[in-house]
Amino acid sequence: EVQLVESGGDLVQPGGSLRLSCAASGFKFNDYSLNWVRQAPGKGLEWVSFIGSGGSTTDYSDSVRGRFTISRDNARNSLSLQMNSLRADDTAFYYCVRSAPEDDGDFLDYWGQGALVTVSS
Amino acid sequence: DIQMTQSPSSLSASVGDRVTITCRASQGIGTDLHWYQQRPGKAPKVLIYNAFTLQRGVPSRFSGSGSGTDFTLTISSLQPEDFATYYCHQTYSTYTFGQGTKVEIK
Repeated sequence: EVQLVESGGDLVQPGGSLRLSCAASGFKFNDYSLNWVRQAPGKGLEWVSFIGSGGSTTDYSDSVRGRFTISRDNARNSLSLQMNSLRADDTAFYYCVRSAPEDDGDFLDYWGQGALVTVSS
Repeated sequence: DIQMTQSPSSLSASVGDRVTITCRASQGIGTDLHWYQQRPGKAPKVLIYNAFTLQRGVPSRFSGSGSGTDFTLTISSLQPEDFATYYCHQTYSTYTFGQGTKVEIK
């Protein structure tokens, strides 16, 4: 069974930093691309970042580029998101999400349960 | 970025109704369009990918159509567990989601 479990969500002050982690199991981790998708409370979905299966290809939304860094450790089956210079509008549930196999398309086939990041003084 | 516009933003329907949700892209995206369902307090789950392919385990009352800029998600006979929010999602270029359509009980 595919499982994605986020951790690291917390309350942080504006301008602060936080690191989210995602522990993956139930699939061959280094065969799949991964993403972070966030959702502000009561709002819609926003894609945040992507990392390819090997870790060398990354992409970011304009809203986080230059402040957030995605990385992965294929030996430990883990995904991370380092978030710096946090702002109030970064407050959201952050989901760790797997991309479907390349042959099937780029859709997001498995989602974690989400980690809440609250940016407030 | 490609803008995705869903309509309606919300709708009220009864069990057994046929429900249609549309999604329009600001430019052509081929069939790189996917649909997700999100129940309250839960993570989204994929229903339809590549515009019309039903994800394994998803009931056949769900169907998708369209290509280019205009897409449709149809629920042929609404069931109690289908009351949720639905999102379209394009992967043609930098990923973007529609704003969501909330399906409520009439």
